[in-house]
Amino acid sequence: SQQGEEDPQALSIQEGENATMNCSYKTSINNLQWYRQNSGRGLVHLILIRSNEREKHSGRLRVTLDTSKKSSSLLITASRAADTASYFCATSLEMRFGAGTRLTVKP
Amino acid sequence: EAGVAQSPRYKIIEKRQSVAFWCNPISGHATLYWYQQILGQGPKLLIQFQNNGVVDDSQLPKDRFSAERLKGVDSTLKIQPAKLEDSAVYLCASSLGDRSSYEQYFGPGTRLTVT
Repeated sequence: SQQGEEDPQALSIQEGENATMNCSYKTSINNLQWYRQNSGRGLVHLILIRSNEREKHSGRLRVTLDTSKKSSSLLITASRAADTASYFCATSLEMRFGAGTRLTVKP
Repeated sequence: EAGVAQSPRYKIIEKRQSVAFWCNPISGHATLYWYQQILGQGPKLLIQFQNNGVVDDSQLPKDRFSAERLKGVDSTLKIQPAKLEDSAVYLCASSLGDRSSYEQYFGPGTRLTVT
């Protein structure tokens, strides 16, 4: 079964807006990772949040983790056209990716 | 720092033929992974090596897929014989240590088409 499930499947926003995508998982974790994939740069690691952390920031990215709800969210602030990509979450224990959220940022 | 290298980038074969993919990880990375990504889906972990030992191959279809990492550096993934449903992008990734603590760096992938 899929361990990381992203929601929504697709998201379309205007440049400058914020984008939020969510991830749910089924079993316990020791960390959760977010990745981005676009045709230009392939699959790139964005951020890793450990099970004892609740929030983590990296530039315009903010990730939260709620282990009681088995969910995580990725917020991209002040989005840019270059953020157009698919975003995946994966839990480290099983390293299973969901189908991803396809984000389109319109200029 | 050089990234993860993979070859070939593209491969087209007929069903029942054999194919092999090669991966050279980032220098010093002890852990190497192979993933299969079917169009429209997320990557699926096939196998994880720690140095030259297999850590996780629970999702590797062992009747037709095999992988090795001789000398704990380069790795090859083989499919024999290929089926139509093997059409996918095969991604190699490496990390300094185990996935429980370290981020993974991915190569550009090999796009396999089985006709």
